[in-house]
Amino acid sequence: QVTLRESGPALVKPRQTLTLNCTVSGFALNTGGVCVSWIRQAPGKALEWLALIDWEDDKFYSNSLESRLAISKDTARDQVVLTVTNVSPGDTGTYYCARTGSNSWSFDYFGPGTPVTVSS
Amino acid sequence: EIVMTQSPATLSVSPGERVTLSCRASQDIAGNLAWYQQKPGQAPRRLIFSASTRATDVSARIHGSGSGTDFTLTISSLQSDDVAVYYCQQYHDWPYTFGQGTKLDMK
Repeated sequence: QVTLRESGPALVKPRQTLTLNCTVSGFALNTGGVCVSWIRQAPGKALEWLALIDWEDDKFYSNSLESRLAISKDTARDQVVLTVTNVSPGDTGTYYCARTGSNSWSFDYFGPGTPVTVSS
Repeated sequence: EIVMTQSPATLSVSPGERVTLSCRASQDIAGNLAWYQQKPGQAPRRLIFSASTRATDVSARIHGSGSGTDFTLTISSLQSDDVAVYYCQQYHDWPYTFGQGTKLDMK
């Protein structure tokens, strides 16, 4: 059974660095064709794709946020980590991790999401 | 960056009626498009990938079509469980991009 679960701080102060973890089960992060993305959603707004890491450790980022994002994975711990530097209130929202499976580059499984508020 | 434009922004339909949602890409994305359904307080759920392939356990009432720049999601007969926001997403090129969503309500 494939599952993903996000974790991280619920509240972060402006200008701090946000670190989010995605713990996966039911598949291995180094399986050919498997990738994990981070996607966020500001309150009442649309989904926004942030970053993706693939089974070979290649990384891809949103154009607008690339300078502030870093994605990495720890295959032994079944975790994918996203860091967002220099956060502002505009980074408030729910953050999801999602898997891309071997039959399509779309997202076949999502975690439940973790809410993050940026406020002093 | 490929821009995905969905229409309409909101749609109110009577039970049992046919629903048609549109998604347009700013450039040719072949068939590299997915549709997701999101209910309040829940994570998105994939409905369609490769423009027209229904995902596992998705109702046969839901159909995807299109290629190139114009795509459609059709629900043949609206039920209460279909009330949600629907997003299209392209995975043809980096960065991946989503549409702004269509909110589907029941009259």
